[in-house]
Amino acid sequence: QKEVEQNSGPLSVPEGAIASLNCTYSDRGSQSFFWYRQYSGKSPELIMFIYSNGDKEDGRFTAQLNKASQYVSLLIRDSQPSDSATYLCAVRPGGSYIPTFGRGTSLIVHP
Amino acid sequence: DAGITQSPRHKVTETGTPVTLRCHQTENHRYMYWYRQDPGHGLRLIHYSYGVKDTDKGEVSDGYSVSRSKTEDFLLTLESATSSQTSVYFCAISGTESSYEQYFGPGTRLTVT
Repeated sequence: QKEVEQNSGPLSVPEGAIASLNCTYSDRGSQSFFWYRQYSGKSPELIMFIYSNGDKEDGRFTAQLNKASQYVSLLIRDSQPSDSATYLCAVRPGGSYIPTFGRGTSLIVHP
Repeated sequence: DAGITQSPRHKVTETGTPVTLRCHQTENHRYMYWYRQDPGHGLRLIHYSYGVKDTDKGEVSDGYSVSRSKTEDFLLTLESATSSQTSVYFCAISGTESSYEQYFGPGTRLTVT
């Protein structure tokens, strides 16, 4: 059973701070890694994907991948109340095109 | 939105009745998926399709069937709805074997009374 683990939270950060969301996975052969944002009552929205070790930046978001340690992180700089949502990590195992989803981390950004 | 619609968006039905949910895409993506999302369980894959008339089961397929007669449409049928199938259902699509990102539809909230 390939697993993707996330702390359910909630993670509470003040406005303007850096929010750090973490995800670990069990399949060492995993190839692709995704972060989705899901607002309450809405569908998951893809915000970042990363395939190679290292960092990938897109605006205020940075995805960090460490395959040796089997974790992927999402950093949100200058957090805003509008970033308050549940963040889902998804990992595509080797040999499959179907990702495994974590249960998500709830992020609360308070003014 | 990635050109994905789901219908109906909300439905209330009675136990024992059949229900069909529709997912329609305008992206010409090869792969389509049905998930359900419940508190405490996250997203769980019900069925998926890798082409017209090509489908397979996911982790929670009991009580569900699917059909895909056209690239753009993927139907999910609850053969005889039960209260345990009350959930939010999401359709997702992905493109090619070199593009693994999934994009989700707006969801259908189904209540079985």
